[in-house]
Amino acid sequence: NAGVTQTPKFQVLKTGQSMTLQCAQDMNHNSMYWYRQDPGMGLRLIYYSASEGTTDKGEVPNGYNVSRLNKREFSLRLESAAPSQTSVYFCASRQGAGNYGYTFGSGTRLTVV
Amino acid sequence: RKEVEQDPGPFNVPEGATVAFNCTYSNSASQSFFWYRQDCRKEPKLLMSVYSSGNEDGRFTAQLNRASQYISLLIRDSKLSDSATYLCVVPFRDSNYQLIWGAGTKLIIKP
Repeated sequence: NAGVTQTPKFQVLKTGQSMTLQCAQDMNHNSMYWYRQDPGMGLRLIYYSASEGTTDKGEVPNGYNVSRLNKREFSLRLESAAPSQTSVYFCASRQGAGNYGYTFGSGTRLTVV
Repeated sequence: RKEVEQDPGPFNVPEGATVAFNCTYSNSASQSFFWYRQDCRKEPKLLMSVYSSGNEDGRFTAQLNRASQYISLLIRDSKLSDSATYLCVVPFRDSNYQLIWGAGTKLIIKP
C-alpha cells in the first residue's frame, strides 16, 4: 500500500538546468495534482489532471510542464530551472472531486542555485 | 490576493486544553471544505471534511459558517501528538478540482 510515490526526495539544480519530478499512485485514483509549498504560503496548484489524458493549468503554471503518462503516473518538468522555483513540491491524487480528500506524496525538496 | 486566511500562530497550549482555530474564506460556493494536518517537513494529511451540518470525529469538531464565510476547528483534550500545522482548504469558486490552501496555523502542545 504505497499510496503516492514521488521521486526524487531532494534535488539541487543549477539555474538553467532541467529536470523531471516523477509521481505514481497505486490507488486507481482518477485525478492527480502537482503543488508547490513555500514558507508562509499555502500550497499552490501548478497543474492538475482530472483524468487520464487531460491536463489543466493551476494557479502557478509558468515555468512548468506536465505529462499524464497513464492513470498511475503524472510527471512535472522544469525545462529551465530558476531560483524562484526553489520550493517543496508535492504530488497528490484523489478518487474524484468534491468531497474526496487528497493523498499526498512525501514531497521533493528542490533547490535551484 | 488571499482567498483563505488563517492565523499563523504559533498557538502554545498546555496539554489537556481546548483550542480553536478559525479560517476565513472568500469566493467559494462549495458545500464541503477540509482541514488538513501537516507535521514538520512532512506531507499534508486529511484530518476532516467540513460540511454545512458540521462534522465531529472524536476530540475534533469542525464547523462551517457560510453566512460569515469561515470554518472552524475545535480540538478538545489536546495531546502532545496534536502538535502540527493545521491547514484550511477551500474549493475555488465552483471548481471541482482547484482548491485554495491556507498557509496554516501552527499548534504547539506543551506538557
